[in-house]
Parts: sequence; structure tokens; C-alpha cells
Amino acid sequence: QLQLQESGPGLVKPSETLSLTCTVSGGSINSNSYYRGWIRQPPGKGLEWIGTIYHNGRTYYNPSLKSRVTISVDTSTNHFSLKLSSVTAADTGIYYCARLGGSYSAYDVWGQGTTVTVSS
Amino acid sequence: DIQMTQSPSSVSASVGDRVTITCQASQGISTWLAWYQQKPGRAPKLLVFAASNLQSGVPSRFSGSGSGTNFTLTVSALQPEDFATYFCQQAHSFPYTFGQGTRLEIK
Repeated sequence: QLQLQESGPGLVKPSETLSLTCTVSGGSINSNSYYRGWIRQPPGKGLEWIGTIYHNGRTYYNPSLKSRVTISVDTSTNHFSLKLSSVTAADTGIYYCARLGGSYSAYDVWGQGTTVTVSS
Repeated sequence: DIQMTQSPSSVSASVGDRVTITCQASQGISTWLAWYQQKPGRAPKLLVFAASNLQSGVPSRFSGSGSGTNFTLTVSALQPEDFATYFCQQAHSFPYTFGQGTRLEIK
């Protein structure tokens, strides 16, 4: 069964770069049928789409974050990553990686989420 | 960006009740809509994709409908495990956007 797992620092200082990795196990998402994405959730709030990377490496980002966000994939290791630069307290929250079904554009497999706090 | 507005923001219901949650898009999205269930401390779980297609393993008491700008998620007979928060998400165009959520509580 395909599983995703986020990893990375739980505490990041303001103005620094948040870096998270999503490790895929139990299968591969290196397929034309699936894409990879990141979604976050501020404490006690709703879901915010961060961005998606297609199998061909093409990326789509939330315009509200676009100048600060980079999503990349390492097909040799079945990992994909998120980098968010110049973080502030507003970037605090739970970060989820997820698989996006290409034909129906819904996130059908999610990681458990990792909590990131931005604080000095 | 396409705005997604869910209603109600919260609803109280009893086991066995039928509950309907609505999601309205700020512009037409055809049937590019998904519904998710989230329980406290857990990741969201996909319930419905393409507006009306039930994800594998999701109980048949859940159903989705709609197209264009108006969508609904219905739970035909609430079970104790259904009390959670529900989100809609449009996948018509980037940036993908979510509704603000509907909290389903036990009456």
C-alpha cells in the first residue's frame, strides 16, 4: 500500500528557509498518471494549496507563495521536496505531502503531516 | 483565483440523520470538485472526486452531486465515525482552492 511520509525540522527561525521531504514507500508515483503536491494547514484553520509538480517536472504554485516556494522531485530516490524561503510566523502550521490523481485531480493519498513552527 | 464557499460552517446532527453540505464556486468548474473528510489530528481523506465519484473504500452512505458552480455532499444516515470536518476542493484551474470547511458535530 502506497504511503507518504513528511520529514524535516519542526522549528524554523523567521527569515530562514523551511525544507521538507516527502518519502514515498510501498510503491512509486513515478508515473504519468500521478502527480505530487504539498498542502498546508495553519493551526485551527482550513487547507491551503501550496503547489504541485507534474511527472515532467513542470510546477504550479500558489501565487500567494510563488516567489518563495520551490517543489522538486528526485525520481531516483522516490522523494519529493518543498522549500519555502523567508518564512514568517504566518507559515506556521501542518504541512502535508500528497499524491494527486492525474485523471481526476484529487489528492487520494496523503502523508500524516508534519508540524512546522516558525519562531526565534 | 476561484473562491469556494461552503455552507453551513458547522452543523449538529444525530446518528441516523441525513445531512447535506453545500459548496459553491465563484465561477463554473464543470465537475472538477473533490470532497475530503478530516478528523482531529489526522490528514484529510478523499471521499468523492469529479463531483460524484465515490473513492474506493468510502461507504455508500456518502454521495456527491452537482456541476458548474453548485455542489453537495450528502451523508444519508450518519454513523458515529462520520463526525468530522469536511472540505471541498476545486481542481478546475490553478491555484487549486479549498472551501473553509464544515464541522459536523454530534447533537
